[in-house]
Amino acid sequence: DAGVTQSPTHLIKTRGQHVTLRCSPISGHKSVSWYQQVLGQGPQFIFQYYEKEERGRGNFPDRFSARQFPNYSSELNVNALLLGDSALYLCASSSGVGVETNEKLFFGSGTQLSVL
Amino acid sequence: KQEVTQIPAALSVPEGENLVLNCSFTDSAIYNLQWFRQDPGKGLTSLLLIQSSQREQTSGRLNASLDKSSGRSTLYIAASQPGDSATYLCAAYQAGTALIFGKGTTLSVSS
Repeated sequence: DAGVTQSPTHLIKTRGQHVTLRCSPISGHKSVSWYQQVLGQGPQFIFQYYEKEERGRGNFPDRFSARQFPNYSSELNVNALLLGDSALYLCASSSGVGVETNEKLFFGSGTQLSVL
Repeated sequence: KQEVTQIPAALSVPEGENLVLNCSFTDSAIYNLQWFRQDPGKGLTSLLLIQSSQREQTSGRLNASLDKSSGRSTLYIAASQPGDSATYLCAAYQAGTALIFGKGTTLSVSS
């Protein structure tokens, strides 16, 4: 079975542009979470979606938005890009909502976004 | 607000040495504590998950312990190998569905 897949792997944008990152969870997993990892830091939680509904949101501005589709894949959108948005964006999937099931999260390889 | 700290930030050891990575957290109300491995520019690989009711978990040469009362977890790596070189991250699973990560410990094992 394929693991969590993310696309694209690398992306270069300029300030003010918009970007869409995509994630396909492991087959059978219904929960997708997004994390931002700035160089030298641990990942920071952005969003979690379960069964196509937002279940959690981290401390990120409204320029960040996400959605989950009927096939459980997900998109992360970032508008009006800033230099500080340059980071590795990680997607993680799990079969349940996570907290109640004490289950592991499975991470994709990430999308490296560079904002110039 | 939960804060997760990892010490040391970097560690260099010769091959074969046993080592301990430390993780501390400020809020003991966690559901579980997870350890991940990250290779440069890559995603995270889950190593061990310790539920709040457990004291330790083992997988091969890895052993992780959890002491909620003191807000500490340790990852013990036995007989280290060059292939163990990576960044190791611990994360506390907090109510509200999010993992709170530390900044990681970058391990280098020399042959």
